Amino acid sequence: GDSVTQMEGPVTLSEEAFLTINCTYTATGYPSLFWYVQYPGEGLQLLLKATKADDKGSNKGFEATYRKETTSFHLEKGSVQVSDSAVYFCALNPADFGNEKLTFGTGTRLTIIP
Amino acid sequence: GAGVSQSPSNKVTEKGKDVELRCDPISGHTALYWYRQRLGQGLEFLIYFQGNSAPDKSGLPSDRFSAERTGESVSTLTIQRTQQEDSAVYLCASSLFPVYEQYFGPGTRLTVT
Repeated sequence: GDSVTQMEGPVTLSEEAFLTINCTYTATGYPSLFWYVQYPGEGLQLLLKATKADDKGSNKGFEATYRKETTSFHLEKGSVQVSDSAVYFCALNPADFGNEKLTFGTGTRLTIIP
Repeated sequence: GAGVSQSPSNKVTEKGKDVELRCDPISGHTALYWYRQRLGQGLEFLIYFQGNSAPDKSGLPSDRFSAERTGESVSTLTIQRTQQEDSAVYLCASSLFPVYEQYFGPGTRLTVT
């Protein structure tokens, strides 16, 4: 079945450091890929997405590129801020009609220290 | 407009009791999903409703779990004879149409003592 494997945390970085959170997936067909973020005390919200190979999703300075050849969707940010502290989830949607549920990774807790 | 809302936000119950969790999706969203997030784990899919089609119940962990949805409106997730392993945050999400972005509610934290 479909699965998502993401970098285990927790990850602690200093402000302005470069961030990479690795995510790889296993799926048949051509899934859509997502990064969701859960800030402390808040609900899960979509950070960015990509729906086909080589697409790059971006939002709030974060980027991720859909790499079909390596089945990866790594999250990157060039200069993190304290406000980026949160739990990040990689997810896929098979995008097959009748099978639209999201499959999530286990989440990576990110803490940014000033 | 209003987002997905869930109630209650927290629920503490004794082992063996039944609980009902409620989800109000975004108005006009045809698809509704329930997920479970146990401590330190990712989100697990439970059940999915799309319009008037039969729901996809493939993620329900046991027959103690059931869910209903009234048309394209409110959904309730019922857990009968709760067990300690049912303790988790239960998240509801809705989307305008399947494969579109899913919008999540704040969740219901269920603690079974």
